[in-house]
Amino acid sequence: GENVEQHPSTLSVQEGDSAVIKCTYSDSASNYFPWYKQELGKGPQLIIDIRSNVGEKKDQRIAVTLNKTAKHFSLHITETQPEDSAVYFCAAREGSYNAGNMLTFGGGTRLMVKP
Amino acid sequence: ETGVTQSPTHLIKTRGQQVTLRCSSQSGHNTVSWYQQALGQGPQFIFQYYREEENGRGNFPPRFSGLQFPNYSSELNVNALELDDSALYLCASREQNTGELFFGEGSRLTVL
Repeated sequence: GENVEQHPSTLSVQEGDSAVIKCTYSDSASNYFPWYKQELGKGPQLIIDIRSNVGEKKDQRIAVTLNKTAKHFSLHITETQPEDSAVYFCAAREGSYNAGNMLTFGGGTRLMVKP
Repeated sequence: ETGVTQSPTHLIKTRGQQVTLRCSSQSGHNTVSWYQQALGQGPQFIFQYYREEENGRGNFPPRFSGLQFPNYSSELNVNALELDDSALYLCASREQNTGELFFGEGSRLTVL
């Protein structure tokens, strides 16, 4: 089955700096890679995703890159703000119809943005 | 706002008891899945339902079971509760066109 590793487990940055979170996956059949932000006491919120036919995707201050050959993908947050502080999860999903909702998640990164 | 609502938000049970958690997803989201999130870890896939039938399951024992109803609601049932079942249980529904998965806020279960 799929295995997703995520690094670092904690990340502390100064407000305005950039933050980068990296994930690797094991199953070459995976072709959908979402990123979720989870605030304390809440469910995961989808912030950006990328599919394997694309190498990079950007949405305002957030960008995701994918390297299929190396089986890794990264989340980049620029101009960080205190409200970006949360736990971020990467995930991977195989592309077959039967995979459905089966996401395999990384272990999470606790991002702290210091004002 | 994801349109996925779960109840109850918190509950406490004792070992050996049974629990039912409920989820209501958006109209048109006909695929629903449940995840277990232990403290400090990423969510783990329990199972998914499509058109009221289970069609995918993670590494969870049969005492974890579910139901999906025609009105886009679903249930997660756990029998013979164990201490390790203490976790946040998340329901997620899938947007048909994009395949995006939207999560509810979860039900936090504590087993004493």
